[in-house]
Amino acid sequence: QSVLTQPPSASGTPGQRVTISCSGSSSNIGSNTVNWYQQLPGTAPKLLIYSNDERPSGVPDRFSGSKSGTSASLAISGLQSDDEADYYCASWDDSLNGWVFGGGTKLTVL
Amino acid sequence: QVQLVESGGGVVQPGTSLRLSCAASGFKFSSYGMHWVRQAPGQGLEWVAVTSYDGRSKYYSDSVKGRFTISRDNSKNTLFLQMSSLRAEDTAVYYCVKDGLGIKYYFDYWGQGTLVTVSS
Repeated sequence: QSVLTQPPSASGTPGQRVTISCSGSSSNIGSNTVNWYQQLPGTAPKLLIYSNDERPSGVPDRFSGSKSGTSASLAISGLQSDDEADYYCASWDDSLNGWVFGGGTKLTVL
Repeated sequence: QVQLVESGGGVVQPGTSLRLSCAASGFKFSSYGMHWVRQAPGQGLEWVAVTSYDGRSKYYSDSVKGRFTISRDNSKNTLFLQMSSLRAEDTAVYYCVKDGLGIKYYFDYWGQGTLVTVSS
């Protein structure tokens, strides 16, 4: 059971917009920033969004993040087949004194 | 460019010990916090431990506290994870991960991982 809650799966067709939610509590998302990671099949995770809504250099602006209260969301617009991957949210937890992850969302492009 | 290369994984028996290493290059290693994150086969990501840039602050997940020790050698640009009293549930790919700044920012670079299998 992960501390942060994500839907196990999401899907969309090419060109569509999909969103992935991440729900936490006051000790993690409620008081710290949220980061998102993309893990393509068979590869190491990659930073996708940091500090709630910032994109590292090289990440397309089709990817965006937001946070409100104790929840966060990742939005992917103009869905492409290359976006098929597992997506994870993460945040520091002040009560646990450590990082916590969501269980991951497997995105399928139909 | 930033490179993180893990080594030391393998197959070990329950109750034994293993030390993982991570050779870092392409950035000023002594200025950044460093983490270990693991992923059990077919499962999600689990944060394991972090050390501050100078090694003075360290935090661990409850699942490894008291059994694993994170350390670093800034003179050799190397991160370590000493694992003891290994259990079957420690079986995972272990990733060496660089923090964006301190220890609570973000994981901006990941190694390719080293597989640890705990089995009798």
